[in-house]
Amino acid sequence: DAGVIQSPRHEVTEMGQEVTLRCKPISGHNSLFWYRQTMMRGLELLIYFNNNVPIDDSGMPEDRFSAKMPNASFSTLKIQPSEPRDSAVYFCASSFAIGGFDEQYFGPGTRLTVT
Amino acid sequence: AQTVTQSQPEMSVQEAETVTLSCTYDTSESDYYLFWYKQPPSRQMILVIRQEAYKQQNATENRFSVNFQKAAKSFSLKISDSQLGDAAMYFCAYNSETSGSRLTFGEGTQLTVNP
Repeated sequence: DAGVIQSPRHEVTEMGQEVTLRCKPISGHNSLFWYRQTMMRGLELLIYFNNNVPIDDSGMPEDRFSAKMPNASFSTLKIQPSEPRDSAVYFCASSFAIGGFDEQYFGPGTRLTVT
Repeated sequence: AQTVTQSQPEMSVQEAETVTLSCTYDTSESDYYLFWYKQPPSRQMILVIRQEAYKQQNATENRFSVNFQKAAKSFSLKISDSQLGDAAMYFCAYNSETSGSRLTFGEGTQLTVNP
C-alpha cells in the first residue's frame, strides 16, 4: 500500500487566498484525522471522520477552516481566507477504525506558508 | 482534560548506547492507551510502540521498550543499542475510548545520536 497520500507537499500563498489541502487515506481504513503542527502549539487534532462522517470538529480553530470527506478515499481541508497565523504543517492520518488503541498512520504532511 | 508532558526538549546519546526519554501524563480515566511516535527529518510521523494501561507488562518492540508506571502516570521510552537512524523528534501521546480517538501529544523530545 502507498500509505496516506497528501498533496501538495508544500504550499505558499498570500494572505486572503483560499487554500485546499488534500488527503487520500489508506484503502480500507474507516477513520480519517486532520492534525496541525506548529512550534507554539505542537501537534493538535483539528477534526476526524468515521465512515466519511465528521465525528468531532471541536479542534477546528475558526469558521475559516472547513473539512469534507465526500467518499472513503478522499478528504479536503480548506482555509478561506488564509492568514499568516495559519502557517503550519498539516497532517492527515487514517486508521482502520475509531478505537483508542488503533494505530493512526500519518501522511507526509503539507507545509503551508501564508505570507 | 488530559495532558501529556515531556520535560526533556533535547537528549543526546552515543551510538550503541542506551537512552531513556521521559513522559508523564495527567488523566482521571482508568482505561487508556499510550504511544510513542517518532518524527524524523522527513517529518513523517511513525508509531514506535504503544501500551494499554490495563496491561501491567511493559511493551517491547525490538530495541524499543517502555517503562509504564501507572500510579506515577509515567511512560518512559528506552532505546537500546542506539543507531544513527534513531535520530528524530519523539512524541509521547495519550488516547482513550472516551477521547474518541483524539490523540493528545506531548511537546516532543529531540534525540541526537552521536557517532
